[in-house]
Amino acid sequence: ELKVEQNPLFLSMQEGKNYTIYCNYSTTSDRLYWYRQDPGKSLESLFVLLSNGAVKQEGRLMASLDTKARLSTLHITAAVHDLSATYFCAVSLNTGTASKLTFGTGTRLQVTL
Amino acid sequence: KAGVTQTPRYLIKTRGQQVTLSCSPISGHRSVSWYQQTPGQGLQFLFEYFSETQRNKGNFPGRFSGRQFSNSRSEMNVSTLELGDSALYLCASSFLLNTGELFFGEGSRLTVL
Repeated sequence: ELKVEQNPLFLSMQEGKNYTIYCNYSTTSDRLYWYRQDPGKSLESLFVLLSNGAVKQEGRLMASLDTKARLSTLHITAAVHDLSATYFCAVSLNTGTASKLTFGTGTRLQVTL
Repeated sequence: KAGVTQTPRYLIKTRGQQVTLSCSPISGHRSVSWYQQTPGQGLQFLFEYFSETQRNKGNFPGRFSGRQFSNSRSEMNVSTLELGDSALYLCASSFLLNTGELFFGEGSRLTVL
């Protein structure tokens, strides 16, 4: 059974600081996703990582994937209050479908002024 | 273009009743998947449809069912509602069965009393 673990579960950080969210998964996967969710809202796709060593950046967020270590990281650079949200990683197995995702528990990020 | 549309957005039911939720995918998307989100269990995969066929099913009891129509719109049904079925039900669509990105709707929030 595929297990996806995220840490930390909760992260409170000051504006301007850097931090990393970690996502570990238990079995081989062909793709990894990062999503953002604001309270009461849906999931917003941030990144799709498809291969070992993949790195993607958007604004203050950068995601990377190490398939050998079964680890993905979401790095936050110089955090701003607007980044406060819950971040999920999700993994899909090599099942020929991209839609059956196993999600991590989520990391609730709170950026304080 | 329009995103994934889910209806109704909010609904309240009582135990023993049944409920039907609807999802209209992004135009041109043929794959629709459903997820349940609860505070205790997090995000869990329910099922996936492609070309009117169920391709994958998660670990949910038979009370949870779904279908997809020829225009790719999908419905899910929960019969004999239980208190534990209270959740946010999210629908996601993608262009193909095995493509890189899922787009989520705003969700249907079900409360079972």
